[in-house]
Parts: sequence; C-alpha cells; structure tokens
Amino acid sequence: GAVVSQHPSWVICKSGTSVKIECRSLDFQATTMFWYRQFPKQSLMLMATSNEGSKATYEQGVEKDKFLINHASLTLSTLTVTSAHPEDSSFYICSARLRTDTQYFGPGTRLTVL
Amino acid sequence: GDSVTQMEGPVTLSEEAFLTINCTYTATGYPSLFWYVQYPGEGLQLLLKATKADDKGSNKGFEATYRKETTSFHLEKGSVQVSDSAVYFCALLLPSNDYKLSFGAGTTVTVRA
Repeated sequence: GAVVSQHPSWVICKSGTSVKIECRSLDFQATTMFWYRQFPKQSLMLMATSNEGSKATYEQGVEKDKFLINHASLTLSTLTVTSAHPEDSSFYICSARLRTDTQYFGPGTRLTVL
Repeated sequence: GDSVTQMEGPVTLSEEAFLTINCTYTATGYPSLFWYVQYPGEGLQLLLKATKADDKGSNKGFEATYRKETTSFHLEKGSVQVSDSAVYFCALLLPSNDYKLSFGAGTTVTVRA
C-alpha cells in the first residue's frame, strides 16, 4: 500500500512552453501533498505544500506564478511549470502525507527544457 | 531553525562490510526522524523511522536508534550488499512545522562486489 505515482516520468520541452506534472496517491487519500525539486547530486528542496481544496503554500524564493499547483482532489495534485526555461530543468518529486508523520514519495519526473 | 546534518560522502564499501552513516539534528520540540533511500533515477523510499526517544527503527537489515541525549539518528547495517548502493537521506519532521520534512544533504553509498 501507500503508492504514489507521477506522470510523466520524463519530459523534454522547448523553452517558453508549459509542462504539467501529475502526482497521484493510488491507494489512499492524501489531504496534503508536497512538491520538491532536486538538482543533480543534491538534496531535495521543498517547493510548496498542497492541500486539497485550498491554495498551495509556497516556500520562500519559489515563484508561485511560475510553478502553478492545483490539488483538485484527495488523490491528485498537479504542478505546472509555466513558460519553462533551461534553468527549470530538474528532477521534480512529489510526496503525499498518509498519516501525521509519514510521507510517501512518487518516483519523480525528469524535466529537460531545451 | 530545524535542521539535519549527515555524514558527507561518498562512501565506498566492499560487500559484507559494516555501514554507518551519521546523522544529527537540531530541532525545537520533539521531531520524528526518518531515513529515506533513493536508488538511481528514482524517487525516495521510506527506509525506517522513529517517533520518540530511544525508539529503534529497522528495515531490510538497517537500523537506527533515536538518541535524544546526543540528538542523533545514525544509520547502520551489519553486512551490506551491492543492491544497497544508493543515496541515503536523513530527515526530521515536526508537527509544529506543518509536517514538513527537513532533509540532510544525502550520503551516496557504493558497494563493490
């Protein structure tokens, strides 16, 4: 149990286009989902906290107009990278909180912006 | 603020060697502590956790004990395998911080046959 999926697993896009990444909790309902960004050989950087039915809370320094987060249901959150540029290329990982102190992570999405 | 400091890598070991990855934390309050593992090209998997002092988390031969007196949560495995090659992250969580995880920098472990 406690499986989180992400789609797509990798995506290549042209500079200036927008990309949507989906995060789903497959066998449980998650009131809270988190979005992280990971650069090569580095730790995870929390971008935002997404609660179902409300606006996401962004960490300091994360542009909310660039990284749009929608948490439409208890099993789905989406991250849209708008007007992507090469510096947005990264590994994006989501997680879903099942109980108060446990997060389960998706497999990640590799974004490459040309 | 709340933070996690873990041993820098990379760590290279031979199969069946003993592995220790040190992790210490700073937190205001009583955090839950975690070890996550990341295999190449994948997301993070929960390896083990402990929610209060003196708790021992264990999984797949790995163990870690929550030591409040030394604010530590060191990861150990007695006999590593090639399949244990991965990046290991220590993390803490505080309910007072909206249940956000604070991660250490990660330690890359490579096990040679």
